[in-house]
Amino acid sequence: NAGVTQTPKFRVLKTGQSMTLLCAQDMNHEYMYWYRQDPGMGLRLIHYSVGEGTTAKGEVPDGYNVSRLKKQNFLLGLESAAPSQTSVYFCASSYWGGGRTDTQYFGPGTRLTVL
Amino acid sequence: GENVEQHPSTLSVQEGDSAVIKCTYSDSASNYFPWYKQELGKRPQLIIDIRSNVGEKKDQRIAVTLNKTAKHFSLHITETQPEDSAVYFCAARTPTGGTSYGKLTFGQGTILTVHP
Repeated sequence: NAGVTQTPKFRVLKTGQSMTLLCAQDMNHEYMYWYRQDPGMGLRLIHYSVGEGTTAKGEVPDGYNVSRLKKQNFLLGLESAAPSQTSVYFCASSYWGGGRTDTQYFGPGTRLTVL
Repeated sequence: GENVEQHPSTLSVQEGDSAVIKCTYSDSASNYFPWYKQELGKRPQLIIDIRSNVGEKKDQRIAVTLNKTAKHFSLHITETQPEDSAVYFCAARTPTGGTSYGKLTFGQGTILTVHP
């Protein structure tokens, strides 16, 4: 049971390049999330999904897109990277809130630098 | 939307002392308050949580208290040890619509350093 995994662990992009971050979970969780973590600002929600085929905007969605084609995977895309997107990105997942634990389990993170 | 303020931003204590981190939230509908610990270069991990129908919860050296009237909750760590050194985040969840699900809003984090 690997929990939540993220690919890649590190990436350096040039301004304007695109990339996709992959999150995978093997806990059969319904809900998945993408956060970014910047110094002094905690974790801010980018996008989230409440089930396969669904996505919704979080607190800071601009410049990002997501897809949840399979229940176990949640992809985060940057179409045209900007230096302001330099950050550590965390994926998380949780059970459906009703009647079960609400604990969000985090992946190991992806450190992205945009030059 | 929900706003969570966390204080202090840094906290330095001697081994064996107690540490207290406080958070306030703005939305009275918030009903779930987890605390996460993040060691350097690692992922955030849940250490304790509390729901709005409970005033206090304890797990060995860690306790969380909730004051719904004042809309604040606190993390208490007793008999601190060097391995408690980490960044601690509080969060609040506000239900969305008719379901119990809601997004977590995180505080800005507290860097706790425990000196041997």
